[in-house]
Amino acid sequence: LAKTTQPISMDSYEGQEVNITCSHNNIATNDYITWYQQFPSQGPRFIIQGYKTKVTNEVASLFIPADRKSSTLSLPRVSLSDTAVYYCLVGDTDKLIFGTGTRLQVFP
Amino acid sequence: GAVVSQHPSRVICKSGTSVKIECRSLDFQATTMFWYRQFPKQSLMLMATSNEGSKATYEQGVEKDKFLINHASLTLSTLTVTSAHPEDSSFYICSARRAASSYNEQFFGPGTRLTVL
Repeated sequence: LAKTTQPISMDSYEGQEVNITCSHNNIATNDYITWYQQFPSQGPRFIIQGYKTKVTNEVASLFIPADRKSSTLSLPRVSLSDTAVYYCLVGDTDKLIFGTGTRLQVFP
Repeated sequence: GAVVSQHPSRVICKSGTSVKIECRSLDFQATTMFWYRQFPKQSLMLMATSNEGSKATYEQGVEKDKFLINHASLTLSTLTVTSAHPEDSSFYICSARRAASSYNEQFFGPGTRLTVL
């Protein structure tokens, strides 16, 4: 399972776009990239998943460069309710190994 | 769709007692369920993988005799913390993989906060 590296924390203000980058230099050919969001005292919630290029859903966008050694989760116009921990996971099996995650704090 | 519930949401018990936590997939069948533990301000740590009808696979360092896992049906897995001690106090989270899900897409329960006095 590829190891991931993310910033420990990020701060933003309401209405701004937030980009959280994850490094996964040892990503394997079959690995997918998945992002989860976790609020305090709750289970993680699936945000988005991708393999290459760009993926967009109603919540976020995921940008993956051609070499796939990193990925960027983009949250458009964050609000206070987006304050949470965001986890980047890489793998091709059911087993999810969570890294430290990025603690995003959104200020008014 | 794809809702996972846990019961109880929080439990307080005395040291030495056993506690059972249930994880249910409410609207889908889950051949595989997972159990995680999370300490305050830390990330989730995978404890074990639970497959319906077979023995659970435990991660290194997790005592299988202390954390008993049963996956008796396609919608229910249980975690029993036997002879609980204060150091077992933690947030326990289960997840379930729907058969038709893409890789890594697991649906998580709301978690169970265990406090051992």
